[in-house]
Amino acid sequence: KNEVEQSPQNLTAQEGEFITINCSYSVGISALHWLQQHPGGGIVSLFMLSSGKKKHGRLIATINIQEKHSSLHITASHPRDSAVYICAVHGNQFYFGTGTSLTVIP
Amino acid sequence: NAGVMQNPRHLVRRRGQEARLRCSPMKGHSHVYWYRQLPEEGLKFMVYLQKENIIDESGMPKERFSAEFPKEGPSILRIQQVVRGDSAAYFCASFREWPNYGYTFGSGTRLTVV
Repeated sequence: KNEVEQSPQNLTAQEGEFITINCSYSVGISALHWLQQHPGGGIVSLFMLSSGKKKHGRLIATINIQEKHSSLHITASHPRDSAVYICAVHGNQFYFGTGTSLTVIP
Repeated sequence: NAGVMQNPRHLVRRRGQEARLRCSPMKGHSHVYWYRQLPEEGLKFMVYLQKENIIDESGMPKERFSAEFPKEGPSILRIQQVVRGDSAAYFCASFREWPNYGYTFGSGTRLTVV
């Protein structure tokens, strides 16, 4: 069993839709990260959370420490949001989810 | 603030050669993580270093791979006698815990073994 589970694995949405990606983890953590990786590109850190909720533009990330669960929301999705979104948790080492591949269709 | 610098961006090595990947952490960051992404796979932790110390190398292959983070200079991930299966993207990330927790990824080194 992976320490970090993401769902869904793949997601296709129409432009403008509200998107949610979920992440559950099974280890103790000091922080949780949401990362974005474009095809062939590097990795961009979107959020780092240890509690509560953060918002940056159209992106919102929440975490529930008791339930060991986090969600990444994208409001008013756009084709440029198409990428792989990765949840990673930082405990005694780093554990990565397998990623959610998002495609936003115009 | 140049961020985490990795070089080279792309590296081609023949089987049996050595590969050296460099990672310069952000200013003020004294912790470095290396991880790799094999083709069509997710990211995997390799090693966690602080200056002059290996903290956790549980993700490193037992042979041919080594890492260091000297007092001065970048962190180095060294792969000896590379094989085709070493072809991957290798990323590093640096962070600090105080005064503000911060974590930054490098743009990666793409190693191709031919």
